[in-house]
Amino acid sequence: EPEVTQTPSHQVTQMGQEVILRCVPISNHLYFYWYRQILGQKVEFLVSFYNNEISEKSEIFDDQFSVERPDGSNFTLKIRSTKLEDSAMYFCASNSDRSRNQPQHFGDGTRLSIL
Amino acid sequence: GNSVTQMEGPVTLSEEAFLTINCTYTATGYPSLFWYVQYPGEGLQLLLKATKADDKGSNKGFEATYRKETTSFHLEKGSVQVSDSAVYFCALRGPQAGTALIFGKGTTLSVSS
Repeated sequence: EPEVTQTPSHQVTQMGQEVILRCVPISNHLYFYWYRQILGQKVEFLVSFYNNEISEKSEIFDDQFSVERPDGSNFTLKIRSTKLEDSAMYFCASNSDRSRNQPQHFGDGTRLSIL
Repeated sequence: GNSVTQMEGPVTLSEEAFLTINCTYTATGYPSLFWYVQYPGEGLQLLLKATKADDKGSNKGFEATYRKETTSFHLEKGSVQVSDSAVYFCALRGPQAGTALIFGKGTTLSVSS
């Protein structure tokens, strides 16, 4: 069964540094998402992306965050200047259809640790 | 706004016990409802879904029924196994709220033999 893949599985970065988290969504999917889960807390939506542009974003997704689909397969989340509170598990997800009954398929996540 | 409330965990059960994890929601319109499971060290996997009132989602012995009158989507399993130990997340996707999933806080289930 096709999977969403994320790299790296764990990223350790110094505060203030830029970090790029990578995702390869399922190949025929058109809608892409990033979520994050701070340790012990709930999964929170960051941003959704369709047709090479952001379609929705949450309050968390401020100017230090950006997303990009640089080629036909990758979907990246960039954090420009990391802060301690950015430490979390970041999940990428995708689905094939915008209709509300299509489930989103999640990757295994990237654990981001900011020192 | 839309929200999901799950029962607080952890839930600790013996193998073959009956499981219920409560989930209630607040939403405008008629959302779709999902249960996701996160096994230790892994990502989120869709467990089951229901897209309209009175629908029952089921998978791997788990069931949940979309109850519009009580705005609930409780997860049940008749006989849990050690391998069911995981964190379970209830989520909704509302028709008016775009495509983002809104998650509950998650309930940790621990099953012992």
